[in-house]
Order: sequence, then structure tokens, then C-alpha cells
Amino acid sequence: GAVVSQHPSRVICKSGTSVKIECRSLDFQATTMFWYRQFPKQSLMLMATSNEGSKATYEQGVEKDKFLINHASLTLSTLTVTSAHPEDSSFYICSARDSWTTGETQYFGPGTRLLVL
Amino acid sequence: GNSVTQMEGPVTLSEEAFLTINCTYTATGYPSLFWYVQYPGEGLQLLLKATKADDKGSNKGFEATYRKETTSFHLEKGSVQVSDSAVYFCALSDLPNAGKSTFGDGTTLTVKP
Repeated sequence: GAVVSQHPSRVICKSGTSVKIECRSLDFQATTMFWYRQFPKQSLMLMATSNEGSKATYEQGVEKDKFLINHASLTLSTLTVTSAHPEDSSFYICSARDSWTTGETQYFGPGTRLLVL
Repeated sequence: GNSVTQMEGPVTLSEEAFLTINCTYTATGYPSLFWYVQYPGEGLQLLLKATKADDKGSNKGFEATYRKETTSFHLEKGSVQVSDSAVYFCALSDLPNAGKSTFGDGTTLTVKP
């Protein structure tokens, strides 16, 4: 089946620094990728929809200047958490839709666990 | 807007017991329905899906039938194993909503030997 990877799998950073998370579709092209955030023992919260070659669409309440999304190619989207603070610590998960298939199936990455000290 | 309501957990079962996790949805269009499984510390894996009414999704002994009349997509398995212990998420997605997925809150299943 379709594979989506994320890098890094876990990262610890100091407060005030920026962290970049990569999401790659390994064996398919994805014009659309989604970024989610998951708090412990909670469901996934959609942060933004990343579209290749255009600006991301952010969900209400998500700061676009804090969570920068770049979807520069059909296989790569990046999420940069700028000036991270402890409250940004979370599990970040991306997903991708196969551009060549119809339907709404999304393939999820394994997640990136961010800890901000 | 779209919403998904899942049976609250946690659910604890003995090995070989029958499993049902209820899921109902609200959607304006004709969504596709999914069940995802998340093992500790990992991302989501697609377990099964159904794209239209009366479709039955099945995988690894799990089944769910898309019931439009009751707006439900309940997950069932006849005989659970310890390895099935995980968090299960019901979700829907529809193209008019730009393909975004709406997730239920998740149900934690623990299977004891």
C-alpha cells in the first residue's frame, strides 16, 4: 500500500527555537497533504491542508505565522513550528491523498513527537 | 458541519471475546467512512473503509457496514486477540469538504489474555 514517512520521528528543542517536520509520500504523488495535531489520549485535530504549489489552508484558530507549511513538490510537505514554546509540545501527524486515485482515502505518516523544553 | 460520534471507552475484553465499537456520523453529503487503528506511539493505520451505502469494509477479521438509514458504521470483530489492543478511530471524509477527514474521539481497546 501507499507509504508516507515523517522525519524526524521525535525531536526535543529549546523554547524559542524553530523545528521543521517533513512529510513525504514515498511511492505516490500527493497534491494534497494534511497536517494534524494530537494531544495525549485525544483525537486528531486538523491544523491545515497543504496544497502543492499554493498556500496552505489553515483551520480556524491555527496561527499560520507560527505553523509554516510549505508543499514545494508532489511528494514533500514541511511543517515548521516557529519560536516553539512548551505548549507546542504534541504529536504531529501528516497524511497524504494519492493524486492519481479518486476517493477520499488518506495515508498517514507515523507521526512526529515534539517536546519543547 | 460533519461530525463523528464514537462509543466512549476504554473497552476491556478477554481474548476471543466479541467486539463492537459503535460509530455514528452526521454529514451533509455522501461521505466515505473509515476505521483507523493507532498503536501506542505510532501514527494511524487504515483498518477498513466503505465508500457508499450498504458497503461492507473488512480487514484482519474486522468488519463494518455503511448504514445510511441509521448513519452508522459500527466496527465488529468476532474474536479479539491481545494484539488488537490499540486506539480505534472512526472517521469520515467527503469531497465537497475538500477531502478533509473528521475523526471521532477514539476508543481505547485493551484485550487481556
